[in-house]
Amino acid sequence: DAKTTQPNSMESNEEEPVHLPCNHSTISGTDYIHWYRQLPSQGPEYVIHGLTSNVNNRMASLAIAEDRKSSTLILHRATLRDAAVYYCILKYTGNQFYFGTGTSLTVIP
Amino acid sequence: DTAVSQTPKYLVTQMGNDKSIKCEQNLGHDTMYWYKQDSKKFLKIMFSYNNKELIINETVPNRFSPKSPDKAHLNLHINSLELGDSAVYFCASSQGSGDYGYTFGSGTRLTVV
Repeated sequence: DAKTTQPNSMESNEEEPVHLPCNHSTISGTDYIHWYRQLPSQGPEYVIHGLTSNVNNRMASLAIAEDRKSSTLILHRATLRDAAVYYCILKYTGNQFYFGTGTSLTVIP
Repeated sequence: DTAVSQTPKYLVTQMGNDKSIKCEQNLGHDTMYWYKQDSKKFLKIMFSYNNKELIINETVPNRFSPKSPDKAHLNLHINSLELGDSAVYFCASSQGSGDYGYTFGSGTRLTVV
């Protein structure tokens, strides 16, 4: 049901950029792409979302492919506090989020 | 102030018991949700309420009954608890359909023994 595919895990060195990929080849024209992250023992936290254009906020950037079948979450400078599971989610019309298994990001000091 | 608060944080109970988890949000959001996260960390939506009215009810046993006394509260009551109900339950809220994001609580870890 999640309709997104992400690598199970990734590693990054501290203070370096991180690119977290997500494939959503069956995306429809009205599906928003959302990213959340979940730190250990906490609830998911909203990171960013977009529809067609690239998006930036204080936490991250979201690069969306022209055909919208993939996207990349960019953390510009990874810190130890960014170690978490990152979920790429398609938001369907209505109030339904389906979380996949996400990418577990390890940040190496 | 905690935006979305759930109580209790931990709940250990025996099979067959009835228990409730409470959720409150102080963000002024009009939509609230319950999610279940199983041992494999998969998050699945259970219920969604908008202005106290049920709008999503996924395939959940009818032992689970949500109650929304007002739009700031969404409680989850579980009857006749089973071992398979052990999981972390997250409450969340959003304004409208959540296009600008959901805010999640910190979770309630339910263990049925």
